[in-house]
Amino acid sequence: QQQVKQSPQSLIVQKGGISIINCAYENTAFDYFPWYQQFPGKGPALLIAIRPDVSEKKEGRFTISFNKSAKQFSLHIMDSQPGDSATYFCAASKDNYGQNFVFGPGTRLSVLP
Amino acid sequence: KAGVTQTPRYLIKTRGQQVTLSCSPISGHRSVSWYQQTPGQGLQFLFEYFSETQRNKGNFPGRFSGRQFSNSRSEMNVSTLELGDSALYLCASSFPRGTTGGSYNEQFFGPGTRLTVL
Repeated sequence: QQQVKQSPQSLIVQKGGISIINCAYENTAFDYFPWYQQFPGKGPALLIAIRPDVSEKKEGRFTISFNKSAKQFSLHIMDSQPGDSATYFCAASKDNYGQNFVFGPGTRLSVLP
Repeated sequence: KAGVTQTPRYLIKTRGQQVTLSCSPISGHRSVSWYQQTPGQGLQFLFEYFSETQRNKGNFPGRFSGRQFSNSRSEMNVSTLELGDSALYLCASSFPRGTTGGSYNEQFFGPGTRLTVL
C-alpha cells in the first residue's frame, strides 16, 4: 500500500512535443504529491507539487493533473526542450508528521533536438 | 542561500568496513532526511531527523543509523558494509514544521555521496 507506480520507464519526445508521465498510488492517506527532476550527478530537485484538494496545477510548461478517485496523477511537460532531458520521479507523502516520502521508480525522458 | 551540502562526494570502501556520511542542511532548516538511491530499488527513505530526534524510519536494517546535531547537521553511519550498500546516498532538508499537518514543506536535496563497496 506504500507503493507508488510510475510509467513509462523511459520516454523519447521530439523537441516541442508534450511529455506525459503517469503515477498511481494506493494509500489514500497520501496527501502531498510532488514531482522531482534529476540530472546525472545531481540530487533531485522539486519541479511542482499538488495537494488532493485541486485537480490541476500549472507552473510554466509543467502541469500536474490529479484524479483523486482513480488515485492517479500525471506530469505534463508542454513544448518539451532538450534541456528537459532528465529522470523524473513522482512521490507521495502523508502530511502528518515528518518527511517520509515514497518515490516512484522514475522515468528517463529524452527530448530529441 | 547555500544549498544542502554532503561530504564526501565519493567514497570507496571494502566489505565489513563502516562509513560515516555527513550532511549540512540549508541554513534555518531543521528537518533532515536521508535516502538511498540505487538503479534497482530507486529512491528509498532511510530516516528523518528533526531537532536532534529521529522522527521517521524506513525499512532498513539496524546497520544503518544516523544522528543530528544541535546545529541541524546530520550524519549517517553504515556499519559492516555489504556489496549491496553501494548506492548514492542523498540528504534532503526542509524548513521546520510542527507536529500537526497543514503545511507542505519542500525538500531540498543535496548532490549525494556515491558509496562504492568492493
